[in-house]
Amino acid sequence: TQLLEQSPQFLSIQEGENLTVYCNSSSVFSSLQWYRQEPGEGPVLLVTVVTGGEVKKLKRLTFQFGDARKDSSLHITAAQPGDTGLYLCAGARASGSRLTFGEGTQLTVNP
Amino acid sequence: GAGVSQSPRYKVTKRGQDVALRCDPISGHVSLYWYRQALGQGPEFLTYFNYEAQQDKSGLPNDRFSAERPEGSISTLTIQRTEQRDSAMYRCASSLSAGGPNTGELFFGEGSRLTVL
Repeated sequence: TQLLEQSPQFLSIQEGENLTVYCNSSSVFSSLQWYRQEPGEGPVLLVTVVTGGEVKKLKRLTFQFGDARKDSSLHITAAQPGDTGLYLCAGARASGSRLTFGEGTQLTVNP
Repeated sequence: GAGVSQSPRYKVTKRGQDVALRCDPISGHVSLYWYRQALGQGPEFLTYFNYEAQQDKSGLPNDRFSAERPEGSISTLTIQRTEQRDSAMYRCASSLSAGGPNTGELFFGEGSRLTVL
């Protein structure tokens, strides 16, 4: 059973388009992180959200944590080829220490 | 180096052999994590240490897998009697804080690619 469900699993778009990636769970998380991973490399942290309803912006990326702290979204505006990569959400539950990752969304931005 | 270092980067072994994968975390990082990752998928949690204490090993698949961090720095993940299904990328990550990922960023190493023939 996957604790964090990400959708879509694959996304291929043209440069300049907007996109949204979703991360959903039936569990409540005390914090949720988004990572980006390029081929041959380890995941690299983009953002951490901890408050229900929180919205964080990182240049063209907007992250939102759901009010109930069970879901999150990542919106990219005017995607660029450099945004290509595997996007991973990861949640930590207050009762434990494990950071559980979703299965990832493989994004390809075509020039 | 400044980052998390893992060795070997690539390991090919025959079924039934034991393997040991090493992780050298960022200096001063309290927490150390082991994950296993299939190509194109998210990392799967294996185990986690704060200093030398193993906090959570519930992700280890079976008793052939074990991990230690005897001096609170370098960690070794050992797989005994390897099987073909153990083939994967094994990633180590470290975090500055002792409170688990609730409070800190995980820094990942480049991984050890294990192939069991």
